Amino acid sequence: DVKVTQSSRYLVKRTGEKVFLECVQDMDHENMFWYRQDPGLGLRLIYFSYDVKMKEKGDIPEGYSVSREKKERFSLILESASTNQTSMYLCASRPNGLAGGTDTQYFGPGTRLTVL
Amino acid sequence: AQRVTQPEKLLSVFKGAPVELKCNYSYSGSPELFWYVQYSRQRLQLLLRHISRESIKGFTADLNKGETSFHLKKPFAQEEDSAMYYCALSIQAGTALIFGKGTTLSVSS
Repeated sequence: DVKVTQSSRYLVKRTGEKVFLECVQDMDHENMFWYRQDPGLGLRLIYFSYDVKMKEKGDIPEGYSVSREKKERFSLILESASTNQTSMYLCASRPNGLAGGTDTQYFGPGTRLTVL
Repeated sequence: AQRVTQPEKLLSVFKGAPVELKCNYSYSGSPELFWYVQYSRQRLQLLLRHISRESIKGFTADLNKGETSFHLKKPFAQEEDSAMYYCALSIQAGTALIFGKGTTLSVSS
């Protein structure tokens, strides 16, 4: 059974702080993703990584950066937190799979971040 | 650009009534479609995918390429079906899923 874990369920930070959100998966998946989930906006992709030390910008990368030093771990960094980054952050992983879709994305429980 | 549209933010039905959550996509290639569900205080999880052609918890979804739709259906809603439902599109194995904005299903007795 795939397990995706996130370091915190709830986090409260102050404006301007540097924030680290950690995600770990135990199924040797090549691909990992960070989304934010907001009411009425659905899931929006922030960054993704398809290999160690590789990263790609998603739809809303501004104000965020990521790090992937090991295959199982994908970190999301808010360099200087702002109130508009208050949100639910979801990490996911996905194997490369086979063409024709025998794979899917597996999600972590989420981190509810509040920036004051 | 690829897109997934879920036109209803909220769908409220009574227990035992039929349910249809709508999903339309835009993609010119051969799509893979998924439905994900998030129950209260639980993580987002896969409900079903179109290639499996299976029924999960009484839900089914058929891919209609002509109408570019992948609507989720259940003949008799249960209170435990109350949740947020997301339709998602994959254009290539291993890549990020493209999600719709979600539909909240509320089933009351």
